Amino acid sequence: DIEMTQSPSSLSASVGERVSITCQASQDIRNYLNWYQQKPGKAPKVLIYEASKLETGVPSRFSGSGSGTSFTLTINNLQPEDVATYYCQQCENLFTFGPGTKVDLK
Amino acid sequence: EVQLVESGGDLIQPGGSLRLSCEASGFTVGTNYMNWVRQAPGKGLEWVAVLYSGGSTYYAESVRGRFIISRDNSKNTLYLQMNNLKREDTAVYFCARDKRAYTNGAWYFDLWGRGTLVTVSS
Repeated sequence: DIEMTQSPSSLSASVGERVSITCQASQDIRNYLNWYQQKPGKAPKVLIYEASKLETGVPSRFSGSGSGTSFTLTINNLQPEDVATYYCQQCENLFTFGPGTKVDLK
Repeated sequence: EVQLVESGGDLIQPGGSLRLSCEASGFTVGTNYMNWVRQAPGKGLEWVAVLYSGGSTYYAESVRGRFIISRDNSKNTLYLQMNNLKREDTAVYFCARDKRAYTNGAWYFDLWGRGTLVTVSS
């Protein structure tokens, strides 16, 4: 099975800051990596698919990069509505989610 | 409106069985890949099972042999039959639709329901 790790597990940042979250896969998953945002009490929402493609309707301050085993989600100009937990997900071999990164405001 | 609505969550004793339902509207369950994903209280997301449009099914190791994913095309509904439930199965269960933007592209979950809570406790 493919295992996913994320770092950091949580972070605090100020409005307007740039935030980066990394995701590591236990084996090469090419670019089959998605990013989701989940707010408390809500279902997850896809932000980025195939490592770097922005889902329709998602603000352009969100971006993704990486391939192989190492990936990054970047939020430019952090906004109050970005407070949430972010999960990566591999889809190379079925599906596995990372443990999540909780983002809040400083 | 395109949406998924889960139901069937309940308080159930260890060893018991429960069937969850996920009713779709605005699209056809039978022509899509459909999944169940769960989230234990205060924990992260765990993929549980997938049902392909052709009928193939796959499960996470943690539920294989105990859970069965199925669908009823006439009711446009996805199901998760959960047997021999354990305390660690306590979670909110979401159904989610698979999508890919183009042939050979990556699959991702583009549509989610709001979830239904299953509590396994004596």
